[in-house]
Amino acid sequence: NAGVMQNPRHLVRRRGQEARLRCSPMKGHSHVYWYRQLPEEGLKFMVYLQKENIIDESGMPKERFSAEFPKEGPSILRIQQVVRGDSAAYFCASSPLRQASTDTQYFGPGTRLTVL
Amino acid sequence: QQQVKQSPQSLIVQKGGISIINCAYENTAFDYFPWYQQFPGKGPALLIAIRPDVSEKKEGRFTISFNKSAKQFSLHIMDSQPGDSATYFCAAGGGGNKLTFGTGTQLKVEL
Repeated sequence: NAGVMQNPRHLVRRRGQEARLRCSPMKGHSHVYWYRQLPEEGLKFMVYLQKENIIDESGMPKERFSAEFPKEGPSILRIQQVVRGDSAAYFCASSPLRQASTDTQYFGPGTRLTVL
Repeated sequence: QQQVKQSPQSLIVQKGGISIINCAYENTAFDYFPWYQQFPGKGPALLIAIRPDVSEKKEGRFTISFNKSAKQFSLHIMDSQPGDSATYFCAAGGGGNKLTFGTGTQLKVEL
């Protein structure tokens, strides 16, 4: 039973380019979360999605960042016109259909983005 | 206030000793408190979690103690082993499903 899958694992972009990070949740999970981890820091919530819906994007920067979770295929976190400050590890987590006030979230291995 | 404060920032424990990491929160709407273990270059892995209807939960060598009135919770690792050397994050969640993480504790278990 595969866990949360993320690709690519490492991504290098030059300033001004676009970065696309993909996340496939665990089988049977319909909720996806994206978090960002800066070096030596904890994880910061970015966005929470269900299939075809953004539920909470309160942690997303207002510009250049967007996320989607289409009916078919993985969730995508898109960063346009990347800047050096976007360099971080981006983690995706998934949880099953909501049963309690907060479900257990299972994390993927992350995508480490480096902006040159 | 959504912050979760975690201490210490780093911890060195002798093999066989007890590792203790503490967290405190402000938001009384939090009702789920997981601990994650992260090795370098890997994603966080759920270690153990507690909800506020109990004051303690034990799984193997790992125990969470929860003090609702003080809004504090802690992770105890008994019989610490070198393989436990990792970064540990506490987190809190409630209502909207997003987790608020502490800043992490780097644990090193020495032989």
